[in-house]
Amino acid sequence: AQRVTQPEKLLSVFKGAPVELKCNYSYSGSPELFWYVQYSRQRLQLLLRHISRESIKGFTADLNKGETSFHLKKPFAQEEDSAMYYCALGPYNQGGKLIFGQGTELSVKP
Amino acid sequence: EAGVAQSPRYKIIEKRQSVAFWCNPISGHATLYWYQQILGQGPKLLIQFQNNGVVDDSQLPKDRFSAERLKGVDSTLKIQPAKLEDSAVYLCASSLRGTGANVLTFGAGSRLTVL
Repeated sequence: AQRVTQPEKLLSVFKGAPVELKCNYSYSGSPELFWYVQYSRQRLQLLLRHISRESIKGFTADLNKGETSFHLKKPFAQEEDSAMYYCALGPYNQGGKLIFGQGTELSVKP
Repeated sequence: EAGVAQSPRYKIIEKRQSVAFWCNPISGHATLYWYQQILGQGPKLLIQFQNNGVVDDSQLPKDRFSAERLKGVDSTLKIQPAKLEDSAVYLCASSLRGTGANVLTFGAGSRLTVL
């Protein structure tokens, strides 16, 4: 089965604290993994994808095939990071669709 | 570039009524997706078009939902008759190509409330 699991519905941290949003996936092939973000009153938008291996807004994510994980990390959270974060799996050769996790709400307190 | 356009933004109907949502993707994007997002859940794919052909509609409740993309550009998603559990945000997204995993660009969504 192709599935994405985000175990935390809500993650609350203080400004300046490290953040880790967890994502685990179930997929038998070689996946492409993404993190999408939705800020308040804005559209769902791409944050980063694993093949890019880049840091966006201070966030990084490493694909761990052994643990089937793609956790999103940031060393020092900022208040503007408060948003809904969705991990998504792109199955190979299935037309480009994405399978989303249920999302984690990140709340960064001052 | 203009983004993905969706209308209406909000719709309230009674159960058993019908509703239609419209989506205009980014110009040149061959692939169009309709997702359903129920409150507290992640988006779930309903149907995917490549140009005007259906690529995947395995999770579309075909007894009540239908979608079309006649000229390979705009798309319409219809629900008839609506049920209470159809209350959700209907997201349209588009991407350049339909092979491999793509970067999807999403519209603002159409929020449906079924009473």
